[in-house]
Amino acid sequence: AQKITQTQPGMFVQEKEAVTLDCTYDTSDQSYGLFWYKQPSSGEMIFLIYQGSYDEQNATEGRYSLNFQKARKSANLVISASQLGDSAMYFCAMREGHQAGTALIFGKGTTLSVSS
Amino acid sequence: GAVVSQHPSRVICKSGTSVKIECRSLDFQATTMFWYRQFPKKSLMLMATSNEGSKATYEQGVEKDKFLINHASLTLSTLTVTSAHPEDSSFYICSARDPGGGDTQYFGPGTRLTVL
Repeated sequence: AQKITQTQPGMFVQEKEAVTLDCTYDTSDQSYGLFWYKQPSSGEMIFLIYQGSYDEQNATEGRYSLNFQKARKSANLVISASQLGDSAMYFCAMREGHQAGTALIFGKGTTLSVSS
Repeated sequence: GAVVSQHPSRVICKSGTSVKIECRSLDFQATTMFWYRQFPKKSLMLMATSNEGSKATYEQGVEKDKFLINHASLTLSTLTVTSAHPEDSSFYICSARDPGGGDTQYFGPGTRLTVL
């Protein structure tokens, strides 16, 4: 079974609109971390936002917020007021266990296209 | 945020040659670094965990004699693709966790390897 599932291969949104990128995860660990990364065409992986499994509040970073629903095991990324520069591939990732030095498991990604 | 560099950013080599890729943490010491491989439009797949001063831990299906990893210091890990073949052509990305930066892992800009 996949550990991280991103069901949207591609999403299209107009500038200034909000968009939600879906992510569900599967783990039996009580302690884990969830991440979102942006990968533009240049290939670099840009860290966007992090949510710890014990964090009670949803993480927010500027225009990015993470809609964390623990019981449903979902960690959707919400981008408010989309910009043309947001066009990129977006990856949801998970770090299982309590050791912060553990590798990340990535979903298949969602390609976001923002149009004017 | 913390900075991780990779060198070279792009390399083209002939089949049968070996290629070394360097991953450096520029402003922090990383006891653990990770090497990922990414095919076009696909997700990042963990290849191995590089531990400073000890042998790397390889993921299932990754040939350790093919992909040599050396973590010689707290700021440098190298991945050597030995006797490269066209099927080794891929995007290779390293990451490292900044111990003083919480749970976030920072990625290098990636190395695009093309084997002719």
